[in-house]
Amino acid sequence: GNSVTQMEGPVTLSEEAFLTINCTYTATGYPSLFWYVQYPGEGLQLLLKATKADDKGSNKGFEATYRKETTSFHLEKGSVQVSDSAVYFCALSDQAGGTSYGKLTFGQGTILTVHP
Amino acid sequence: EAGVAQSPRYKIIEKRQSVAFWCNPISGHATLYWYQQILGQGPKLLIQFQNNGVVDDSQLPKDRFSAERLKGVDSTLKIQPAKLEDSAVYLCASSPGRWNPGYTFGSGTRLTVV
Repeated sequence: GNSVTQMEGPVTLSEEAFLTINCTYTATGYPSLFWYVQYPGEGLQLLLKATKADDKGSNKGFEATYRKETTSFHLEKGSVQVSDSAVYFCALSDQAGGTSYGKLTFGQGTILTVHP
Repeated sequence: EAGVAQSPRYKIIEKRQSVAFWCNPISGHATLYWYQQILGQGPKLLIQFQNNGVVDDSQLPKDRFSAERLKGVDSTLKIQPAKLEDSAVYLCASSPGRWNPGYTFGSGTRLTVV
């Protein structure tokens, strides 16, 4: 079955530092890949997505590239801010035409804390 | 557009009691999902509806959990009787159709079973 593995956390950085959160996946076929963010006390928000190999998703300065050869979708940001402190989840879903009707499989989440 | 609405935001119950959560999806969205998020873990799908029909409930503990989506709009998730291990955040999400890459979640209901 499908699975997602994220790097162990928590991650603590100073403001303006470079961020990488690793994500690898196991899936049959060609899944779509996502990063979701959960700010304290709030629900999950879609941060970015990529639906085919070599696609780059980007939003709010965050980027992730769909690497089929390494089955990875690492999240990066060049300069983090205190407001980026949150829990980040990598996720995948089967492509259209599959049987899962858009079911998301999530990683365990990575807590990011950014200090001034 | 209005987002996915969930209530209550918080609920504390004793084990063996029953509890119900309510979700109102984004208007016009045909697909509705219920996820369970245990502290320190990623969300896990419990049940998925397409209009008012169940598409996937393979991970729903059917001996204690039930869900319905009457008229293909609002949905209710019920736990009866609750166990300590049911303490979690219950998230509802909706999407326009059968498959849509990246969909919207509600703020969730945090359940504590004591």
